[in-house]
Amino acid sequence: QQQVKQSPQSLIVQKGGISIINCAYENTAFDYFPWYQQFPGKGPALLIAIRPDVSEKKEGRFTISFNKSAKQFSLHIMDSQPGDSATYFCAASMGYKLSFGAGTTVTVRA
Amino acid sequence: DSGVTQTPKHLITATGQRVTLRCSPRSGDLSVYWYQQSLDQGLQFLIQYYNGEERAKGNILERFSAQQFPDLHSELNLSSLELGDSALYFCASSVAGWETQYFGPGTRLLVL
Repeated sequence: QQQVKQSPQSLIVQKGGISIINCAYENTAFDYFPWYQQFPGKGPALLIAIRPDVSEKKEGRFTISFNKSAKQFSLHIMDSQPGDSATYFCAASMGYKLSFGAGTTVTVRA
Repeated sequence: DSGVTQTPKHLITATGQRVTLRCSPRSGDLSVYWYQQSLDQGLQFLIQYYNGEERAKGNILERFSAQQFPDLHSELNLSSLELGDSALYFCASSVAGWETQYFGPGTRLLVL
């Protein structure tokens, strides 16, 4: 049973465009929401993370928006670049266990 | 490069066999986590060790076991292997808490 639902499964965006990935969760005990980026043949790498007491966090071209009442959070990739082509996973955690979404494969076309 | 190393990179074995996957955490990291990534189940947390002690368990099968040694490296043992155990197995490490986990490159296991 997926504790974190992620959509879309894949998306294609033109270079310079905005990629948006959405995640939803049910368990209100989750208190840490990271996003991971994974390139083919590599392990996931922490990209950016947010706690539920913050509604938005920005790091460079990557922004997390968090809606606690809706139990949803999203990743926005601004000015998408071909090097951003990867699989992105949202996750949620309480204590020691990370529960991952199913992943979104982002393809940035030059 | 995350600083987490995993061996072997690839492993091909037969059903019913037993394999051991090895992980060396980043220097100074006390916690080690094991994950399984498969096409149908996605990325699933298996188990966590902190300084040699089991700290948390996830969706780990009884056929699987792990341990963390005094030098902090960890091993994941998979026994009575089934076709469905074919997956990527990742190890991650963190200093103490669980927030910033650094993932290794993974071991790709193929059970024939």
